[in-house]
Amino acid sequence: DTGVSQDPRHKITKRGQNVTFRCDPISEHNRLYWYRQTLGQGPEFLTYFQNEAQLEKSRLLSDRFSAERPKGSFSTLEIQRTEQGDSAMYLCASSSQGTGDSPLHFGNGTRLTVT
Amino acid sequence: AQTVTQSQPEMSVQEAETVTLSCTYDTSESDYYLFWYKQPPSRQMILVIRQEAYKQQNATENRFSVNFQKAAKSFSLKISDSQLGDAAMYFCAYTGANSKLTFGKGITLSVRP
Repeated sequence: DTGVSQDPRHKITKRGQNVTFRCDPISEHNRLYWYRQTLGQGPEFLTYFQNEAQLEKSRLLSDRFSAERPKGSFSTLEIQRTEQGDSAMYLCASSSQGTGDSPLHFGNGTRLTVT
Repeated sequence: AQTVTQSQPEMSVQEAETVTLSCTYDTSESDYYLFWYKQPPSRQMILVIRQEAYKQQNATENRFSVNFQKAAKSFSLKISDSQLGDAAMYFCAYTGANSKLTFGKGITLSVRP
């Protein structure tokens, strides 16, 4: 069990640029979640996948955000035309079943700073 | 919609003492799970303890235990024999039928040596 891996750990970008983050879940986990966490707050749900299917997207996820999990393994989260309000920690988590039966395993996160 | 409330932003405890972190939640579901997660500074979130709503017995994991009051929708975490390594943010979280976690705002716990 190598854990959930996220890349990069930190990203600094200028407003208006596009950024992409990658998440590699625990290999046998079929569920993958993206959360956003701002300083001093709890994580907020963005979206989740079961295998390659994106099952739910939060209303927090504007049209500038897109997530994919093309082969049901790793996932990418892209933010287009970044804004300063996008600055946050983006957390990825995975589980093998529903969240109650199989608690989420989190990665270290990608910290995005938009200048 | 389900909500999770952690009303205490910060708490402090003396090393080796006991501390209780509070959490309340609101839901109309009868079957759900509650969690406490720990997030040390600049480190990943890890699960501390889990409680299934249909189980009346309070969950316990070594020095960590919960007081689950289903009727009152209360879910507090007790840390016994506090250690310096317990210093972190602690998040209460809920999941029900929709299979996603809803987190509270968290509480920062500091441990005094």
